[in-house]
Amino acid sequence: DAGVTQSPTHLIKTRGQQVTLRCSPKSGHDTVSWYQQALGQGPQFIFQYYEEEERQRGNFPDRFSGHQFPNYSSELNVNALLLGDSALYLCASSLLGYNEKLFFGSGTQLSVL
Amino acid sequence: TQLLEQSPQFLSIQEGENLTVYCNSSSVFSSLQWYRQEPGEGPVLLVTVVTGGEVKKLKRLTFQFGDARKDSSLHITAAQPGDTGLYLCAGGLNNDMRFGAGTRLTVKP
Repeated sequence: DAGVTQSPTHLIKTRGQQVTLRCSPKSGHDTVSWYQQALGQGPQFIFQYYEEEERQRGNFPDRFSGHQFPNYSSELNVNALLLGDSALYLCASSLLGYNEKLFFGSGTQLSVL
Repeated sequence: TQLLEQSPQFLSIQEGENLTVYCNSSSVFSSLQWYRQEPGEGPVLLVTVVTGGEVKKLKRLTFQFGDARKDSSLHITAAQPGDTGLYLCAGGLNNDMRFGAGTRLTVKP
């Protein structure tokens, strides 16, 4: 049983570019949440997807957008990258209503130069 | 301002010592979770505490939820180098989980 998988594991971009990160949830899970973790900080909630719709959103600008597909996999898109977007981006899956049981992927390390 | 404040931010101890880390908030949570994160990996859930005053034990780790469900502590007995990592607490808010900044623990052999 595969856990949460994320791709790519590492990514280097330059300011102003756009990036797409991908996540496949744990088998049987229907909800995907995305978090940004800056160096030395805890994960910061970006948004959560269920049934292909954004259910909740944290304090992130519209440059951050997402999508969930019918197979529950998800993408995180970031436009007009800034140096401050450099971080580890974590995807977590769960069952709707069971947010206290999040399963995390290993993350995508994004570096913006 | 963090919704969940964790202390200390950093902790470096020798193998065999005991330690306690704290997670505090002004908000009441229906549950609190503790995660451990190692470098290059995502956080891994250790425990969920639900009832005020609840104490849960996981081998050498003891977790306690405050009576008012605003705070929690994690006590490690006889720490080992394998306990090294970032310990994060998280609480549910509006159907999503919010994390503290974590306590970075280093256990030296």
